[in-house]
Amino acid sequence: SQKIEQNSEALNIQEGKTATLTCNYTNYSPAYLQWYRQDPGRGPVFLLLIRENEKEKRKERLKVTFDTTLKQSLFHITASQPADSATYLCALDDNQGGKLIFGQGTELSVKP
Amino acid sequence: DTEVTQTPKHLVMGMTNKKSLKCEQHMGHRAMYWYKQKAKKPPELMFVYSYEKLSINESVPSRFSPECPNSSLLNLHLHALQPEDSALYLCASSQLAGSSYNEQFFGPGTRLTVL
Repeated sequence: SQKIEQNSEALNIQEGKTATLTCNYTNYSPAYLQWYRQDPGRGPVFLLLIRENEKEKRKERLKVTFDTTLKQSLFHITASQPADSATYLCALDDNQGGKLIFGQGTELSVKP
Repeated sequence: DTEVTQTPKHLVMGMTNKKSLKCEQHMGHRAMYWYKQKAKKPPELMFVYSYEKLSINESVPSRFSPECPNSSLLNLHLHALQPEDSALYLCASSQLAGSSYNEQFFGPGTRLTVL
């Protein structure tokens, strides 16, 4: 069956450390994978998109990798800050004309 | 304007009521989406409109009826809902559906409670 799984429901780290979130998928062949941030009671906000032929993408303190052999994406936040505390969602396309499948999310908490 | 707006922010309705959710974007996006999100769960796709035509319906019950009057507007008409339909309803838009430019812009959502 098709699955998209994020490594943990919650991740607690200390301010200044690097947060690493994992997204694994099975029985999908996505052309690209996306990461979103969601704050409580708000809509998700797009962060990064990485295509199947790209190994790594960076944006400021964010870095995402995409390994189509391992069927895994890693999302890193360096020099984390309390303001980074939120739920992070990975999402992949289902090759069905715009259908995005979301992982269940990882709730990141950065303590000062 | 890089914003998706949704009205109302909150809605309480009885099981016999008829109501509508509204969504608007002025980014020139040609794909628009409705999602349903329950607490502590990811968004679940309900409908996709591409160029104002319904392209994906995720087997959503007929008590939810989407409408795309023009390329900027998306409505979701609600009728005879059940208490389990209570959720955050999110609208999103993207430049095109099914392409690599598919980053989606989400609205703030409508918090729906069905009594």
